[in-house]
Amino acid sequence: GAGVSQSPSNKVTEKGKDVELRCDPISGHTALYWYRQSLGQGLEFLIYFQGNSAPDKSGLPSDRFSAERTGGSVSTLTIQRTQQEDSAVYLCASSPYPSYEQYFGPGTRLTVT
Amino acid sequence: GQQLNQSPQSMFIQEGEDVSMNCTSSSIFNTWLWYKQDPGEGPVLLIALYKAGELTSNGRLTAQFGITRKDSFLNISASIPSDVGIYFCAGVQGAQKLVFGQGTRLTINP
Repeated sequence: GAGVSQSPSNKVTEKGKDVELRCDPISGHTALYWYRQSLGQGLEFLIYFQGNSAPDKSGLPSDRFSAERTGGSVSTLTIQRTQQEDSAVYLCASSPYPSYEQYFGPGTRLTVT
Repeated sequence: GQQLNQSPQSMFIQEGEDVSMNCTSSSIFNTWLWYKQDPGEGPVLLIALYKAGELTSNGRLTAQFGITRKDSFLNISASIPSDVGIYFCAGVQGAQKLVFGQGTRLTINP
């Protein structure tokens, strides 16, 4: 079946602009996660959605970052007033609750100039 | 944020050699996962470990969940060119958030 998809695959934006990144999880997966991966680094947790529960936002680095998940499926990660340090690959993953096995999308490479 | 200590950071080996990498933590984890990431792609799940002491194989890959629940290792036997990539360990503590190691970059000389 179809895996996790993300769009766009690449995004170049100017400092100070807002960006929206989209994630389509695997159908039927109730849990959805966002991670950030800086060049040559491991993955940094950002936010976690599980069903209709309140999201775990403990990894969001600042209030410029927000995410929502509509209808328990598609999720959008929004970064307002982008800064150069926001440049990274943003990865989305989903898992079928209660499994811990997360399946990742290909990521969105964000470059802030 | 918290990260696992993964080693080595990089490996340069000859095709056909066996590979071993490990992750350690000062904290206990309930589950260990091993992922492989190719350039420009997201990590792909290789092996999941759910029980302390568990030894699990997936083809040429073998991984173990340490008895203390604070470590795990991954072995790759008879390496081939397509094994090249970055390998990440990840641990699950309570809620379903994963904590990742820094990765081991594997390079294979033909």
